[in-house]
Amino acid sequence: AQSVTQLGSHVSVSEGALVLLRCNYSSSVPPYLFWYVQYPNQGLQLLLKYTSAATLVKGINGFEAEFKKSETSFHLTKPSAHMSDAAEYFCAVSSTGGFKTIFGAGTRLFVKA
Amino acid sequence: EAQVTQNPRYLITVTGKKLTVTCSQNMNHEYMSWYRQDPGLGLRQIYYSMNVEVTDKGDVPEGYKVSRKEKRNFPLILESPSPNQTSLYFCASSLTRRKDNEQFFGPGTRLTVL
Repeated sequence: AQSVTQLGSHVSVSEGALVLLRCNYSSSVPPYLFWYVQYPNQGLQLLLKYTSAATLVKGINGFEAEFKKSETSFHLTKPSAHMSDAAEYFCAVSSTGGFKTIFGAGTRLFVKA
Repeated sequence: EAQVTQNPRYLITVTGKKLTVTCSQNMNHEYMSWYRQDPGLGLRQIYYSMNVEVTDKGDVPEGYKVSRKEKRNFPLILESPSPNQTSLYFCASSLTRRKDNEQFFGPGTRLTVL
């Protein structure tokens, strides 16, 4: 069975600091991995996705994530946080059977001025 | 504008009173899905549909029904709502059922069952 674990339900950073949101997955086959962002009172929107083409994936708004098979990780980073990055972030993995996407529990990012 | 719409956005109801949450997409997507979002649990899939008249259960289907009579619409039906169905619901769609396809989400429906 596939699963996703996001370490830390809340992360707080200062404006201009590095953002690091952690995601570990389990999968018996090469996975497709996604990061989605949810701004207050909105639906989720795609930040970036890994589909085996390149291990370092660049997304929107300056975010990127690196797929590390040996660590079964897909951590999300941004070099310099902005106030507008405050949101909830979800890591997700596609299922091997049928068509299901398994979401992590989410990490809420707070950005301090 | 390409989008997924849901109605209503907010709903307060009482136990046992049947309700329907509508979902519509204008992108000609084959795949549609319903999720519920609960604190600390992330999004859990309720039902999904790979095309017209093709639906299947997700991880938490109990107490819900769906139908897919037209490609653009995928309503979620709660025939006898209970308080444990109080949640934030999202409809999503993607072009096909391919595992690398991005999902597009609606704005959400916050449901409270008293």
